[in-house]
Order: sequence, then structure tokens, then C-alpha cells
Amino acid sequence: QSVLTQPPSVSGAPGQKVTISCTGNNSNIGAGYVVHWYQQLPGTAPKLLIFGNTNRPSGVPDRFSGSKSGTSASLAITGLQAEDEADYYCQSYGGSPLFGGGTKLTVL
Amino acid sequence: QVQLQESGPGLVKPSETLSLTCTVSGGSISSDYWSWIRQPPGKGLEWIGHIYHSGRTNYNPSLKSRVTISVDMSKKQFSLRLSSVTDADTAVYYCARRAQLRDGYNMDYYYYALDIWGQGTAVTVSS
Repeated sequence: QSVLTQPPSVSGAPGQKVTISCTGNNSNIGAGYVVHWYQQLPGTAPKLLIFGNTNRPSGVPDRFSGSKSGTSASLAITGLQAEDEADYYCQSYGGSPLFGGGTKLTVL
Repeated sequence: QVQLQESGPGLVKPSETLSLTCTVSGGSISSDYWSWIRQPPGKGLEWIGHIYHSGRTNYNPSLKSRVTISVDMSKKQFSLRLSSVTDADTAVYYCARRAQLRDGYNMDYYYYALDIWGQGTAVTVSS
């Protein structure tokens, strides 16, 4: 079981907004460590989606945004598209790099 | 454009040592940290450890007693050795670059994230 807790699944219709949460504690996210987010399309390697809580690497659409507050972080996806269907992982630190358990996004 | 490629046996016997290599192309290995991450079938990601070009390493505490990561600068490769494997070590193993990335709002801040990944290599532990 991961120290960083994510919902196992979320879903939304095309065009809608979904939010994926990542809950930690005062030893990791709450201690001030930043959160990164990765997108893993089916059968492929993870891809960096958000770094440093809120930053998007070049090429990532601005439909994806990140935020952090207290011991939690969130990834928001607006204008949902079929190609967004993937697994999403948060990552932070707590002595060593920690991953969340992952959230499967289904586009209805 | 930096690319990473994992290589190594796809089948390892229980109690033996898993050995994988990651080859870096299109860029230098003389900066950043170089990481190994694994993903058991149908499960999430687990950080294994990383190495700097100087040879400095950090390992996941849960695997530390069995893991060795090394680097060969001349071949632009870094390697993973995991000893005494069991079926719990069956996974897709990824190598990745941990890069220093600047904050887009405040250029005085930077973060370390896994920005480039290999395609992954599946390793099965079975007799």
C-alpha cells in the first residue's frame, strides 16, 4: 500500500473536468516536498505531466494543471478528451522518492 | 534528444541476481541522476534507486540490502543488480533521467523530476 493515497479510478465525459487527488502526511507532502505527476498511457512508459506542484513541461497542454495544499495535491484535467484515458501517478518525497498508487482515468 | 534503452534477460530464476543495463543516447551522462523504477504487473510504480555520474547512489530503503546501481561513463550506461530475487520482483523495469527543472514562475527555484524514461523491459522471476 502506497504512502501517497490516490483514488483507484475516476471517470468523466468528453469535455468535462476531472480532478485526481494525492493525499500524503506531514512526513512527505506536508513537510514541504513538491509533487510531480506522471501520465501512463496503456502499454507505454510513464511521462512527466506536472513538476514542482504546478509546472507543465514543454508540450503538455494547459488543460492539465496541478495544485498543492497542506498534505495533499491535486491534478485537474479540463476539456476531457478520449486520449486522456490513462493511469496517473503522483510522486513526492519522504526520505526517498514516493509514488502514489495510481488512478485510472476512464473517458466515458 | 536524450533517449534511454533498457536491456537484459527477461527471465531470472528465484534466488539468482537480476541484471539490467540502461544505455543513454543523444546526450551526456555526465550530469543529472540516473534512476531505476519498476512496476509489477497490474500495479503501481516503485522507485528502486539512482546514481550520479560520480558514482554516488541512493536506494529505496526497502530494497537497499539487495540493490546495486553502477555507472560506466565510457559506455554511457548505468546498470541495476538485484540479488536474491523472488517472484515479487517480477515487474517491468524502467530506467529514467532525474533532471533539474526550473520553476516557470520563479527562475531561482528548481525541482528534480523524472523527465525522460526508457520504454521498459519486462522481467519474470520463475524457475
